[in-house]
Amino acid sequence: AAGVIQSPRHLIKEKRETATLKCYPISRHDTVYWYQQGPGQDPQFLISFYEKMQSDKGSIPDRFSAQQFSDYHSELNMSSLELGDSALYFCASSETSFPDTQYFGPGTRLTVL
Amino acid sequence: DAKTTQPNSMESNEEEPVHLPCNHSTISGTDYIHWYRQLPSQGPEYVIHGLTSNVNNRMASLAIAEDRKSSTLILHRATLRDAAVYYCILRESQMNRDDKIIFGKGTRLHILP
Repeated sequence: AAGVIQSPRHLIKEKRETATLKCYPISRHDTVYWYQQGPGQDPQFLISFYEKMQSDKGSIPDRFSAQQFSDYHSELNMSSLELGDSALYFCASSETSFPDTQYFGPGTRLTVL
Repeated sequence: DAKTTQPNSMESNEEEPVHLPCNHSTISGTDYIHWYRQLPSQGPEYVIHGLTSNVNNRMASLAIAEDRKSSTLILHRATLRDAAVYYCILRESQMNRDDKIIFGKGTRLHILP
């Protein structure tokens, strides 16, 4: 079965530009999570969606927004990019039935110059 | 959230068993013990989870102490592909759609050929 798909895999942007990261969950998974992993750091939760509604919010900057669409794919929109936004961004999806194992995508590596 | 404590790093020889410890002295009765791992340049992946009894799957075994204050992930025959950061995570058993994963520091496992 196909896993979580993220696009693009690599993205290079200049400071103050905007970026959009996309995530396509596993079929029938209704929950999507976004995580940020800075260089040498552990993944940090940003935001999650269940059935197209925001379900939880972590340390996501106000410059970032996200949404989940009717086909369950999700997009993370990042504006006014800063050098510190350079990181790996992972999307994960899960079903709502316990143990709601999260399946992670390969990540998008964002580099802000 | 209940916390876990893991060694920063461990080394093991290829084709030998590996025992990765995790302390969780403040675990509550409703917390499941989950393990995820992150291979280099990849997203985290689920390994195993358990509540009270020892668990086995094709990837690993999970041994849980009788008082549940510690657990051990066992890789029966480590290969070079098992080199990764291993995260021990506590997650509540109640169905909670806000159940983000909070990654701690994890154990970086080095496999020696």
